[in-house]
Amino acid sequence: ETGVTQTPRHLVMGMTNKKSLKCEQHLGHNAMYWYKQSAKKPLELMFVYSLEERVENNSVPSRFSPECPNSSHLFLHLHTLQPEDSALYLCASSSLGTGGTKNIQYFGAGTRLSVL
Amino acid sequence: DAKTTQPPSMDCAEGRAANLPCNHSTISGNEYVYWYRQIHSQGPQYIIHGLKNNETNEMASLIITEDRKSSTLILPHATLRDTAVYYCIVRVANNQGGKLIFGQGTELSVKP
Repeated sequence: ETGVTQTPRHLVMGMTNKKSLKCEQHLGHNAMYWYKQSAKKPLELMFVYSLEERVENNSVPSRFSPECPNSSHLFLHLHTLQPEDSALYLCASSSLGTGGTKNIQYFGAGTRLSVL
Repeated sequence: DAKTTQPPSMDCAEGRAANLPCNHSTISGNEYVYWYRQIHSQGPQYIIHGLKNNETNEMASLIITEDRKSSTLILPHATLRDTAVYYCIVRVANNQGGKLIFGQGTELSVKP
């Protein structure tokens, strides 16, 4: 148990569906992240939220829409996805501040998404 | 952030020490070395980090060369549960909530 919880753990959706992934952290952190991991590929950063403001968007298609309503919750809203969007989606959180320890990211177990 | 180079795979016998190398020859003075691992289909797990000095915790030891251009993660008594992909990441630890850039890592197989 890392203190970062992702739901659902598995999701199957059609290309015309709308769904949302949820991430919740109980670590008192104020930065949250979405990563994507496709089969046999390294993790790719999608979005970074710092103090509830989006500070990085790594050229992610608009069919992925993040939302950070408060420092403990992060959502990824999905609509009109493509089969190539099938992947493991991972959420992470960290503190903010200088120093190695403050920048450790703690990951959830991920949501395995299949787009049919 | 500096780039890292790791061997794609390594084997280790159960109970023996696993020594995982990482090259980061372009590391800057204010960049830390972080190690994470990812057990199959789970989220990455933080292991250890360091700046200049060698570090040890309950999971592993991190040895950083004096010129900081390479490091070695040591799992002193590897078990089957240590089979995973190990990532060496170099980045500045600042106040910006920065990203981790994951490479391909080293796939460690611990064998009975």
